[in-house]
Amino acid sequence: GNSVTQMEGPVTLSEEAFLTINCTYTATGYPSLFWYVQYPGEGLQLLLKATKADDKGSNKGFEATYRKETTSFHLEKGSVQVSDSAVYFCALSDLYNQGGKLIFGQGTELSVKP
Amino acid sequence: SQTIHQWPATLVQPVGSPLSLECTVEGTSNPNLYWYRQAAGRGLQLLFYSVGIGQISSEVPQNLSASRPQDRQFILSSKKLLLSDSGFYLCAGAGGAAPLHFGNGTRLTVT
Repeated sequence: GNSVTQMEGPVTLSEEAFLTINCTYTATGYPSLFWYVQYPGEGLQLLLKATKADDKGSNKGFEATYRKETTSFHLEKGSVQVSDSAVYFCALSDLYNQGGKLIFGQGTELSVKP
Repeated sequence: SQTIHQWPATLVQPVGSPLSLECTVEGTSNPNLYWYRQAAGRGLQLLFYSVGIGQISSEVPQNLSASRPQDRQFILSSKKLLLSDSGFYLCAGAGGAAPLHFGNGTRLTVT
């Protein structure tokens, strides 16, 4: 079945460092891919999405490119801030298989130090 | 735009007591609705999803149940809570092909 694998955390960076959080997926169909962010004590917020191969999703300085050849959707940001400290979830949704349910990775905790 | 309301935000219940968590949706009609649980330090586990009134699918066998009495209302229940039911419960919804939106969650502690 469909699945998502994320790099394990926690990831600790200094402010203004470059961020990469790896995400790979397994899917039988043509899924849409998402990154969600969860700030401490809150629910999840959609950060960005991509619906087909080679699409790039971007928001708030974060970006991720849908790579079908490597089945990846790595999250990147050029210069992180303390306010980016949160847990980041990669997810996929396959409308034509599994009824569009969102399948999540395990989450990667990011801690940015000043 | 779509908004998911969940309550209460926090809840402390003794083992063996009943549970009712409510979720309502604004801004879309006939949404797909979901209950997820997030255990401490872990990812999200899909518990139930619903594609319409009275239609509930369970993803994992457990001590919980879900109901959808109205189009925009999704309720998570238990007759007798277990210690292992503690966690962070998130309701989510999506209308059509729109991305999933989440509520702010309910932190349940079973003592």
